[in-house]
Amino acid sequence: DTAVSQTPKYLVTQMGNDKSIKCEQNLGHDTMYWYKQDSKKFLKIMFSYNNKELIINETVPNRFSPKSPDKAHLNLHINSLELGDSAVYFCASSYPRLERGGQETQYFGPGTRLLVL
Amino acid sequence: ILNVEQSPQSLHVQEGDSTNFTCSFPSSNFYALHWYRWETAKSPEALFVMTLNGDEKKKGRISATLNTKEGYSYLYIKGSQPEDSATYLCAFGYNQGGKLIFGQGTELSVKP
Repeated sequence: DTAVSQTPKYLVTQMGNDKSIKCEQNLGHDTMYWYKQDSKKFLKIMFSYNNKELIINETVPNRFSPKSPDKAHLNLHINSLELGDSAVYFCASSYPRLERGGQETQYFGPGTRLLVL
Repeated sequence: ILNVEQSPQSLHVQEGDSTNFTCSFPSSNFYALHWYRWETAKSPEALFVMTLNGDEKKKGRISATLNTKEGYSYLYIKGSQPEDSATYLCAFGYNQGGKLIFGQGTELSVKP
């Protein structure tokens, strides 16, 4: 019954490794997002895809690459992990209604806690 | 730089108290203001989305108001209960792509 799911929930890895976090939503939404919760606990947008097309790409190191195989999935691949990448990463989805400026409720996944050692 | 500020950062109240928090956001390029409730070890859960100046929304004991001209929104909780303990986030939506700028949140603790 899970609406937005992420795997894994916890990820502990060494510096320099490459890792992926997967996100799936079963809400039929068109748009999916990746957020990073920074050290001050702010949720900051990283990427957004609408129907498999990248629409938001914030100033994020190019070691981070999102991939959307279909509109129900948005995965986040991180190359050459660094200590500063340690954070909680949240996936979210929404069904933007363009007549309202695309501002529909976003539904969040449970988060993936990444620790880089 | 777009900034969303919430106050207070944390709040401790007794069960039965009514309380309110503030979210301040830029008054230009406004599309929507979101409120989310975030319990520890869970995901943020949507409370309200407001788009029009003067909007008021209510869900049980929780309500919110919106002033887009001066750039603020209030969240009110009437008769706080321990289960209301959570962090309350507001987020400012300013473009069609659904991009949200989140505040840092107000952490509410309700003691029985």
